[in-house]
Amino acid sequence: DTGVSQNPRHKITKRGQNVTFRCDPISEHNRLYWYRQTLGQGPEFLTYFQNEAQLEKSRLLSDRFSAERPKGSFSTLEIQRTEQGDSAMYLCASSFAGHQETQYFGPGTRLLVL
Amino acid sequence: GQQVMQIPQYQHVQEGEDFTTYCNSSTTLSNIQWYKQRPGGHPVFLIQLVKSGEVKKQKRLTFQFGEAKKNSSLHITATQTTDVGTYFCAGPNRGSARQLTFGSGTQLTVLP
Repeated sequence: DTGVSQNPRHKITKRGQNVTFRCDPISEHNRLYWYRQTLGQGPEFLTYFQNEAQLEKSRLLSDRFSAERPKGSFSTLEIQRTEQGDSAMYLCASSFAGHQETQYFGPGTRLLVL
Repeated sequence: GQQVMQIPQYQHVQEGEDFTTYCNSSTTLSNIQWYKQRPGGHPVFLIQLVKSGEVKKQKRLTFQFGEAKKNSSLHITATQTTDVGTYFCAGPNRGSARQLTFGSGTQLTVLP
């Protein structure tokens, strides 16, 4: 399967704990995006990378959130000191920079903070 | 900030009936994209419209981009149970083309 993959698919944690999610984009894609989706809403942009550079971050991304893409391939999203409001689906998408580029989404990681 | 609104929020139709969802942006968009998300699934890209007044068809699906490039619609003719899911429109953020602003989606249920 050459699509976007995300791990883990589900994560349950206690408030205050740190969690880390991983995204493996489609191999030839140089752009990678993180979104958050809550029930009944569309995905909300969090941040994006072009190769290894994090070029944009949403105001939604508090200082408890950090994302990396160290070698321009896979990416990690870490949430420190989780809060119940962090419970959501975290989606990763990738694309190849170009005219009318298409974002391909992964299956997401569903986070539940107790 | 930029807002993208969709109506209706929910739509139940009998199989074979037509379905339309509408998308409105608070700002002019350089393009509009449509995604489908099946229950328990992730968003899947359907199409991108770029030109004012553009109409594109994919089998039973017809997509339109308004003349002012602030609204769009998706029409499905003769719905099938496989059309079930939530349909989202999304447009690039005015300040950054990389940031997509999604609408809240229209959840379609098709009754057999």
